[in-house]
Formats: sequence, structure tokens, C-alpha cells
Amino acid sequence: DVKVTQSSRYLVKRTGEKVFLECVQDMDHENMFWYRQDPGLGLRLIYFSYDVKMKEKGDIPEGYSVSREKKERFSLILESASTNQTSMYLCASGKGAVNSPLHFGNGTRLTVT
Amino acid sequence: AQSVTQPDIHITVSEGASLELRCNYSYGATPYLFWYVQSPGQGLQLLLKYFSGDTLVQGIKGFEAEFKRSQSSFNLRKPSVHWSDAAEYFCAVATDKTSYDKVIFGPGTSLSVIP
Repeated sequence: DVKVTQSSRYLVKRTGEKVFLECVQDMDHENMFWYRQDPGLGLRLIYFSYDVKMKEKGDIPEGYSVSREKKERFSLILESASTNQTSMYLCASGKGAVNSPLHFGNGTRLTVT
Repeated sequence: AQSVTQPDIHITVSEGASLELRCNYSYGATPYLFWYVQSPGQGLQLLLKYFSGDTLVQGIKGFEAEFKRSQSSFNLRKPSVHWSDAAEYFCAVATDKTSYDKVIFGPGTSLSVIP
């Protein structure tokens, strides 16, 4: 089974802190994604990567950056956390085009106070 | 712009009753269509998908969905709901069949199951 592991289930950070959310997948997938999940808004794509060292902005990249130094690891960085970044963050990975499914981690619930 | 709507924010059904979750999309061509389920504390899991062919597709956990082009709908159904089906359900549309970043998720429908 594909496993996508997010390092933290819950995080509480203060406004202005730099925050790292880590994601690791174990199936050699080329494609990795970070989503933000908010009630009534579904999932919104923050950043994605189709290869090591490659990154592309999604629909809501403002206030975030990412790093992909190794194929299996995709990190989401909040350079200076703000209260409006309090949310559930989901990492996903996939292989090839959309005819193969996305595999999701269990999510990190981030609270910024 | 392409969009996905799920008209029902929350649905409550009794265990053993039938279920239909609605999904409508806005897209000019025939898209790829998906239903994902998110159980409490879990990530999303693919239930089923439609790419082409038979408009009635079968998925895991006893779910099925029907693509109706004339109604731009892809409703999810289950004939008899189990308590373990309580979860959040997301409909999704891929407007570009080659890239995941073009997948648009609906707002979700939360399902509660009464014993």
C-alpha cells in the first residue's frame, strides 16, 4: 500500500513563526501536492511538484513556499505564520496522469495563535 | 471558469437506508470525474472515477456513481448505508486529463449515520 506520511497531526504555532510541514511518500511517485482544507471550501491547491527540485504554484500560494530536495519528501513552509493560515493541510502524491489516483496523508491541523 | 458544486453541506441518514450525494460540475467538455471519501482523522481515499464509457461506475465499499452529461452531474449512491460510512465526501473534476494540478474539488458533503 502507498503510504503518505505527514510528520505532525497537530501543530500550534504563534503568529510570525516560521513553520515547516513535512510530507514523505514511500512509492517513488513523481508528483506531490500540498492542499489546504477549510470547511465549505473543499481542497485548494497551494503548491505542487512534478519532479525533484521542481515546484509550481497552485491556486493559493501566497504566504507559502515549498522544498523538494528528494523525490520522496515535499515540505511546505510558512515563512511567517498568520492566523488566517490556521487550517488543515493535506499532502498527496501520485504517479503519472490523473488516471491513477492521488494518495493522501492524514493531514496536519495547524493552529496559529 | 470550471467549478464543482455539492448542494448538500450535511446529510443525515439512518443505517440501512439508501444514500444519494449530489455533485454538479461546470465544464465545456467531458471531464474526468472522481469521488473521494475522508473518514474522521484520515486523508482522502478514492471511491471511484469516471473517464469514459459506461456512465454507471462501481467503486469500493459498495458505492456507485452515475454520470449524466445532460445534467452535468455525477451523483454518488449506495443502496444501504453502514455506520462506518459516516465521513466527508468530495466530488472532484479534472479539466486537464494529464495533470493533477487541474483537479478541482467540491466543497464536500458531510454524512452522518443514525444507528
